[in-house]
Amino acid sequence: DSGVTQTPKHLITATGQRVTLRCSPRSGDLSVYWYQQSLDQGLQFLIHYYNGEERAKGNILERFSAQQFPDLHSELNLSSLELGDSALYFCASSLSHGAGAGEQYFGPGTRLTVT
Amino acid sequence: AQKITQTQPGMFVQEKEAVTLDCTYDTSDPSYGLFWYKQPSSGEMIFLIYQGSYDQQNATEGRYSLNFQKARKSANLVISASQLGDSAMYFCAMREVTGGFKTIFGAGTRLFVKA
Repeated sequence: DSGVTQTPKHLITATGQRVTLRCSPRSGDLSVYWYQQSLDQGLQFLIHYYNGEERAKGNILERFSAQQFPDLHSELNLSSLELGDSALYFCASSLSHGAGAGEQYFGPGTRLTVT
Repeated sequence: AQKITQTQPGMFVQEKEAVTLDCTYDTSDPSYGLFWYKQPSSGEMIFLIYQGSYDQQNATEGRYSLNFQKARKSANLVISASQLGDSAMYFCAMREVTGGFKTIFGAGTRLFVKA
């Protein structure tokens, strides 16, 4: 158990809908990262927050947004869902945020299926 | 251009033998971090080992060691005394300063440990 929690574990929804994925980092970690893992794209970095502020953006679609709240939990919002958004979405956390910030601990992931 | 290259889509190793999983990277940043993660069939991402670009010594964590050759830009993972439970997908990743500390993952190597 990495100490990172993600809810829900599974989510099935229809095209065009909006969903929210939730992540709670390990106790004491200030950084939260979101990743998307799909069969065709592999593991893609989406976005990184550090202590409530956005620090880096990766291949995140405009239909997707995220935030980190004062209690450090984070939410990833996916809207106008398409079939291609079906993937495993991971959240990870680390203590700090630099290139040498050390390991990121991953949550169990949320498997999103868009039908 | 590919930032992280894992050239071995799949590998077999006999139980109790050592195996090396290759990873090469491309960056012009002097400060970066290199990581290896294991993803078993259950789907979770497990952190294995971390190497900072300024670290003088190769990182080791139990049966895992990272063969860091900075001039060659390679960060190969060595697993000693392979166990059946090591059968999984292995990902090499890099976090660099350019672009705001994004973490980029390679395509992965699937390791099969034979009894």
